[in-house]
Amino acid sequence: DAGITQSPRHKVTETGTPVTLRCHQTENHRYMYWYRQDPGHGLRLIHYSYGVKDTDKGEVSDGYSVSRSKTEDFLLTLESATSSQTSVYFCAISEWKGEGRTEAFFGQGTRLTVV
Amino acid sequence: GQQVMQIPQYQHVQEGEDFTTYCNSSTTLSNIQWYKQRPGGHPVFLIQLVKSGEVKKQKRLTFQFGEAKKNSSLHITATQTTDVGTYFCAGRFHAGGTSYGKLTFGQGTILTVHP
Repeated sequence: DAGITQSPRHKVTETGTPVTLRCHQTENHRYMYWYRQDPGHGLRLIHYSYGVKDTDKGEVSDGYSVSRSKTEDFLLTLESATSSQTSVYFCAISEWKGEGRTEAFFGQGTRLTVV
Repeated sequence: GQQVMQIPQYQHVQEGEDFTTYCNSSTTLSNIQWYKQRPGGHPVFLIQLVKSGEVKKQKRLTFQFGEAKKNSSLHITATQTTDVGTYFCAGRFHAGGTSYGKLTFGQGTILTVHP
């Protein structure tokens, strides 16, 4: 498995509180992604990064912000958590390889519950 | 926005039956990837298709990329209980600059195999 670690793995938080999820990689991959997974919706992209301090929005970015100050770390912040943000969050990384291979490697996921 | 649609959402089969899941995009894809997620796990890369009309096989799994590079399919022959899980397609769209790094997932097909 690729060297990618998400923390925390589980979290319960109250509505209105800020929450930060961390993704740490040891692969020196350029691209990093945050997805959320909900039943019936598959994996939806929240934000992604294409380099240090370079980020862009995905399809469900409202209520989320990200930061990437180092190649190895990509942080996802829920500015004021709501119950609709209860989900499983996956971080992924990818890099250009020979023959154009660009597969993504996923972390183990963070299960977030907002009560 | 650029979306990848995947059907069916669920598929229940008897062990030994075949299974197919389909992905469709309204715009041309640069490449398409397929992932498998076991229950309780994280998505794991299976394969990448790049060329128009490309067909690749992995044992009982056959992957196809349409001639127009807008659709793809995954076919499993003679399913086994070990095939249980959610199968996702993920597409990269033709775009310049940073958008090329974005990986958009379909909703996934949940496969159940009855012994």
